[in-house]
Amino acid sequence: AQSVAQPEDQVNVAEGNPLTVKCTYSVSGNPYLFWYVQYPNRGLQFLLKYITGDNLVKGSYGFEAEFNKSQTSFHLKKPSALVSDSALYFCAVRDWGTGRRALTFGSGTRLQVQP
Amino acid sequence: GAGVSQSPRYKVTKRGQDVALRCDPISGHVSLYWYRQALGQGPEFLTYFNYEAQQDKSGLPNDRFSAERPEGSISTLTIQRTEQRDSAMYRCASSKQHAGGNNEQFFGPGTRLTVL
Repeated sequence: AQSVAQPEDQVNVAEGNPLTVKCTYSVSGNPYLFWYVQYPNRGLQFLLKYITGDNLVKGSYGFEAEFNKSQTSFHLKKPSALVSDSALYFCAVRDWGTGRRALTFGSGTRLQVQP
Repeated sequence: GAGVSQSPRYKVTKRGQDVALRCDPISGHVSLYWYRQALGQGPEFLTYFNYEAQQDKSGLPNDRFSAERPEGSISTLTIQRTEQRDSAMYRCASSKQHAGGNNEQFFGPGTRLTVL
């Protein structure tokens, strides 16, 4: 079975400060990992993914994420937060060893960036 | 280019009625997925198609739920004899085909279903 945990319901950060949104995962094999962002009344937008290779993955809008196999984590980061980054963020995992295509999502973390 | 579209965007129905939710994937995307998202939760997988073939329906909660994609493009998710617990956001996603299955999924805006 595959699962994702996002331990923080909400993260508050001041504009211009670095931000981190945490994600840990559990799979029986090897993971494909994804981050999505959801703005109000809109669908989920893809931010970035880890498949293989470099542990630091760069994505859209200046976001990056670091894959840590020993800690089974894939935290989302940005060096300098913008007010417009305020949204709901979802981490998702797929165990590529199982052959299943379904993504398992975390419960989401609401990011609030204060001006 | 056009993204994934879903219709209707909002659907209110009475308990016991059947509903059909439509998904039009990105042109050329081979794989199509249905998810359900309850308020305050992440999306939960329902079913998945490769072309017209339903490859995985393990997430469908019971036999009132069914899906089809007869021509390998547009898909319909049907819920028969709706119940109040079926109220949720239903999201469709599509992705390119890849042997390893590592392509990201692109999501539509969703259909908000309310069962009274």
